[in-house]
Amino acid sequence: AQSVSQHNHHVILSEAASLELGCNYSYGGTVNLFWYVQYPGQHLQLLLKYFSGDPLVKGIKGFEAEFIKSKFSFNLRKPSVQWSDTAEYFCAVTSRAMTTDSWGKFQFGAGTQVVVTP
Amino acid sequence: DAMVIQNPRYQVTQFGKPVTLSCSQTLNHNVMYWYQQKSSQAPKLLFHYYDKDFNNEADTPDNFQSRRPNTSFCFLDIRSPGLGDAAMYLCATSRDPGRGEQYFGPGTRLTVT
Repeated sequence: AQSVSQHNHHVILSEAASLELGCNYSYGGTVNLFWYVQYPGQHLQLLLKYFSGDPLVKGIKGFEAEFIKSKFSFNLRKPSVQWSDTAEYFCAVTSRAMTTDSWGKFQFGAGTQVVVTP
Repeated sequence: DAMVIQNPRYQVTQFGKPVTLSCSQTLNHNVMYWYQQKSSQAPKLLFHYYDKDFNNEADTPDNFQSRRPNTSFCFLDIRSPGLGDAAMYLCATSRDPGRGEQYFGPGTRLTVT
């Protein structure tokens, strides 16, 4: 069964520091990849997505992610964080079945709680 | 703005007392999903509707039911809430099942007393 791993459960960093959050998945076929953010008290919002093409994807709020197929990874990065980036970040993967060509459900990672201190 | 709306935002119910949560969307998406999210955990898919077709996850308890009377609305019914059902319930939509991004509502926080 497909799984999604986020390596860090909690990250604490200072403003202006760089952020990188790891995401690995286990499925070897065609995948679509997503990063969502959940600010305190707010709904899940899409940060960025990868379907195909350029493996370096730029999203909203200065975030980017790189799809490395050989490493089954889709890590999220931001060069300089702000206090307002304090939130929980979820990686999600959906995959296409090789036999039926249909897409499966979203598999979410466990999430990474990021706290940015002033 | 097109969006996913959930009502109520907070719901308190008593142990064993049926409760219904509601979701509406203005995106005209074909698929509507219900997730359960407990504190500091990933959202867990309960079921989804693709148009009128209901798709239940294998591990979703029978206590949880859903209705989709039309494209815009979807309801989550919890027939006999237990203390373990206290959670945030998220509604999401997408154009197609599985492939594309999902759009989430703000959630309903359910408390069971």
